[in-house]
Amino acid sequence: SQKIEQNSEALNIQEGKTATLTCNYTNYSPAYLQWYRQDPGRGPVFLLLIRENEKEKRKERLKVTFDTTLKQSLFHITASQPADSATYLCALAGGGSYQLTFGKGTKLSVIP
Amino acid sequence: GAVVSQHPSRVICKSGTSVKIECRSLDFQATTMFWYRQFPKKSLMLMATSNEGSKATYEQGVEKDKFLINHASLTLSTLTVTSAHPEDSSFYICSASQGALQETQYFGPGTRLLVL
Repeated sequence: SQKIEQNSEALNIQEGKTATLTCNYTNYSPAYLQWYRQDPGRGPVFLLLIRENEKEKRKERLKVTFDTTLKQSLFHITASQPADSATYLCALAGGGSYQLTFGKGTKLSVIP
Repeated sequence: GAVVSQHPSRVICKSGTSVKIECRSLDFQATTMFWYRQFPKKSLMLMATSNEGSKATYEQGVEKDKFLINHASLTLSTLTVTSAHPEDSSFYICSASQGALQETQYFGPGTRLLVL
């Protein structure tokens, strides 16, 4: 069966360091992968989309990589700030459908 | 741009009653809207996909007679939880996508439902 794993349920990091979150998937051939941020009691907020034929995408302090051979995406936040503390979700879509399948998320805490 | 609202943000109801949740796209026309539910520390689970003017497509295991979805216009979808029970208590989130940019879903702020 299709499976998406964000292998850290929680990640603590010192302010100013680079946070790296991992998303692995099995039995899936996604056309694209997305990363969202979710704050407690709120809906997810779209951050970045990366397609199967793209290796890397950047947006300000965010960087996403996509390795379809390893079936893995890495999400980086450089110069992390306490305001970056949130749960980050990866989501995949494929097979001609726009429906997203979400991972469980990684709760990032940036410590001042 | 691409703002989605939900109403109410929080609702408490008695067991056996029905609750309606509204999802609106405020500044764009949403060709497709999605309804999710999320349990504490769990991921979002897709319940159904709705396209304006047609019947919703429900995911396996989601009772269509219990979770009624109406997508009457390009800016409004509603989810009605009928005869709610305590196990229906959850965080319900809608999202909307538009036209050629259907890849990106814009999420509402969510509705916290508590059934007593």
